[in-house]
Amino acid sequence: EADIYQTPRYLVIGTGKKITLECSQTMGHDKMYWYQQDPGMELHLIHYSYGVNSTEKGDLSSESTVSRIRTEHFPLTLESARPSHTSQYLCASSEVREEETQYFGPGTRLLVL
Amino acid sequence: AQKITQTQPGMFVQEKEAVTLDCTYDTSDPSYGLFWYKQPSSGEMIFLIYQGSYDQQNATEGRYSLNFQKARKSANLVISASQLGDSAMYFCAMREGEGERDDKIIFGKGTRLHILP
Repeated sequence: EADIYQTPRYLVIGTGKKITLECSQTMGHDKMYWYQQDPGMELHLIHYSYGVNSTEKGDLSSESTVSRIRTEHFPLTLESARPSHTSQYLCASSEVREEETQYFGPGTRLLVL
Repeated sequence: AQKITQTQPGMFVQEKEAVTLDCTYDTSDPSYGLFWYKQPSSGEMIFLIYQGSYDQQNATEGRYSLNFQKARKSANLVISASQLGDSAMYFCAMREGEGERDDKIIFGKGTRLHILP
């Protein structure tokens, strides 16, 4: 079983609020990822990190930002939430090797009113 | 162009029957990896099975097997003796490269599987 955690699991918040979605893993993985997924749809990579102090934007443009100050922690921040940010956000981590299985957290379901 | 194509948006299968979920991929990289994930209605992504491009044999994990046809660029997931708990979204994914630092994994659009009692 993967040791990757996300909080909160569910968040309902008003437009304009600043929010931070937490993601942490205890497996010592160097690579971490954030995906955005609308219900029943595909995953879109929005951010990833190779390791501490490394962050990269993914394939889908996002107004969110991320930081990687510690190996185990990869938080995602929205400075001003909007209804268009309503979605599920999945965090994942993996080792740098050939069988690069990504282990996913349980996800955060965000609703912006 | 789609790198990962899952042509079945939804499938209905009778319990205890075998299921094949289709996946085709597109890459010019000789080294790549293929993955299948299951996503139940609760939302978490569960890793099922992995196949490396150089693996000679098809991967198997319990009731899951991956029918890897390299020349056709297909990596279908086969679930034997389906169970009600298999009802979920299933995603096929590919990593291009040899597991280096900057490799990314690309996901298909998914297939929703419904197992009927």
